[in-house]
Amino acid sequence: DQQVKQNSPSLSVQEGRISILNCDYTNSMFDYFLWYKKYPAEGPTFLISISSIKDKNEDGRFTVFLNKSAKHLSLHIVPSQPGDSAVYFCAASLTGANSKLTFGKGITLSVRP
Amino acid sequence: KAGVTQTPRYLIKTRGQQVTLSCSPISGHRSVSWYQQTPGQGLQFLFEYFSETQRNKGNFPGRFSGRQFSNSRSEMNVSTLELGDSALYLCASSPGAEQYFGPGTRLTVT
Repeated sequence: DQQVKQNSPSLSVQEGRISILNCDYTNSMFDYFLWYKKYPAEGPTFLISISSIKDKNEDGRFTVFLNKSAKHLSLHIVPSQPGDSAVYFCAASLTGANSKLTFGKGITLSVRP
Repeated sequence: KAGVTQTPRYLIKTRGQQVTLSCSPISGHRSVSWYQQTPGQGLQFLFEYFSETQRNKGNFPGRFSGRQFSNSRSEMNVSTLELGDSALYLCASSPGAEQYFGPGTRLTVT
């Protein structure tokens, strides 16, 4: 039972354009969501997070949007850069309970120069 | 601050053997979690330790175990290795909600 789903395995965008990475979840108890970026042969790097009490969080070129009623979140990267090419993981957790993160299977972003 | 470190980075073992992986968290982080990453299953939670106590456990068999020391360093052990245990094992330390990952240990079981 996959509680966090990233249904598109890959995304290709032109440098300078917007990248939109989507994530859906099924467990309505999740109240904290995170995005990680992963390069080959490295561990995931924390990018940005959002609490369920918010619907938007912004950090530089990265913005995460949360739609609780749809159980959907998205990561926007504007403008996209070639160095953003990596695998992006969406993760969810229950705060206050423990540090267990439930991850999606990831989406490979390719930014074309 | 130094990041999360994991040793060794690469390991090759034979079926039936046992293996111990080590993780040093970011200074001041008391929570250490372990994850297994495989191409088919993605990143899956193994267990979490906080102040030397296992606080949460994923759905892995008892062959997978771990511990945490008083300095927050953690080890995980896999006994009676199977071919399916070949994976990237990631350790993450946390001050709270966000987790910060190490580079991982690539385990190959032959």
